[in-house]
Order: sequence, then structure tokens, then C-alpha cells
Amino acid sequence: GQSLEQPSEVTAVEGAIVQINCTYQTSGFYGLSWYQQHDGGAPTFLSYNALDGLEETGRFSSFLSRSDSYGYLLLQELQMKDSASYFCAVRDRNTGFQKLVFGTGTRLLVSP
Amino acid sequence: IAGITQAPTSQILAAGRRMTLRCTQDMRHNAMYWYRQDLGLGLRLIHYSNTAGTTGKGEVPDGYSVSRANTDDFPLTLASAVPSQTSVYFCASRATTATGELFFGEGSRLTVL
Repeated sequence: GQSLEQPSEVTAVEGAIVQINCTYQTSGFYGLSWYQQHDGGAPTFLSYNALDGLEETGRFSSFLSRSDSYGYLLLQELQMKDSASYFCAVRDRNTGFQKLVFGTGTRLLVSP
Repeated sequence: IAGITQAPTSQILAAGRRMTLRCTQDMRHNAMYWYRQDLGLGLRLIHYSNTAGTTGKGEVPDGYSVSRANTDDFPLTLASAVPSQTSVYFCASRATTATGELFFGEGSRLTVL
């Protein structure tokens, strides 16, 4: 099986930098993904890490350490529109990595 | 480009009734998924399908069934709805890229009374 842990809520102010951590336990690791979901909306894909290190996409970066079973999402120059829930997810080895299992999500509140 | 279309967007249902949530994609993705989302519990996988003609169970399959007669459609059926199935249901398909990005529908909000 697999499990993922994230903080339930993080708060920050506009312009700041925030890091959302994710630790995972899995019988076979294939990659760590991040999704963003605004209230009332659908989850949307943000990033994917298969190898150790930092992946940067604009204001968002994602980091992975496979030896520590740990990753994080880094959001820079925070904007009010970044207020949303953020989910990390891993693929399940037991089904040939076909299933994507999500963490319970981190709610990010950005204040002025 | 529509992507993933779910119907209905919202439904109130009496306990014991049968309900089918529809999901259609136009991206020709092989893999499709049904998740339910409940406050504090995140997204939990109900059933999935790797390709047309095959289905598999996720984390919370009890009380639900799926079929995959073709690539585009992946309906989710509640044979006899119970109040604990009140939730928001998301259908998704997976891109055949290295990232395995999931594309989600807008969700179906189901209330079972």
C-alpha cells in the first residue's frame, strides 16, 4: 500500500514564499505529482518529479528526495489567486503504476 | 476541446435509488479513473480502467460499479445509494506522457438523502 502526509493548512501573505511538504510511503515509487484545486473547481496538474532534485515551472517549483521519501512544492511571489488546495500524489506499483493515489491536501490561504 | 465531460453536475437522490454518473472524454486517453472527494479526506480512488474492456478496484470500491465499453466513456453506477455516498465525484483520464498527468472533469455533486 501507500500513504502520503501533508500539512492540512498553510497561511502566507502576498509576495511571500511558501513550501508545502509531502512525505510518502509506498511499496514501489514511480514519481511524485502535484495538483492544485480551487474551491468548487477540479484538480489541475502542476508538476511531476521522477528523479531527485528541483523542477521549476515559473513561480512554482517541486523538489524530490527519493532516499528520504519526501518532496515539496515551493510557491514564490505568492498571489491571492494561489489560495487553493494542493495535493501530492504517487503512482501505485501494485497495479503497474496505473493508479494515482492522492494525499489529503494542503489548504493554502494567501492574505493581502 | 471539451476534455472530460461529467453529468449531471449536481443531483439529489433518495436512499435506495440507482444512479449512474456519466463521464466522457475526447482525448483518446486509455486510462480513466473515478475519485470521490470528501472534506478532510482528499481524493480517494473508487475504480479505474487502464483501457477499454478492463476495470479495476481502487481504495473505496464498495457500493460502486463501472464499465468501459469503449475508450471515451466510463460511467459510474451506484446500485442502491446510501447517505455515506454523498460526495463530489470526479472523473479523470491520464495522458500517455512521462508525467502521467491526469485531466479531471468538473465534478458531480451527489447528495443522498
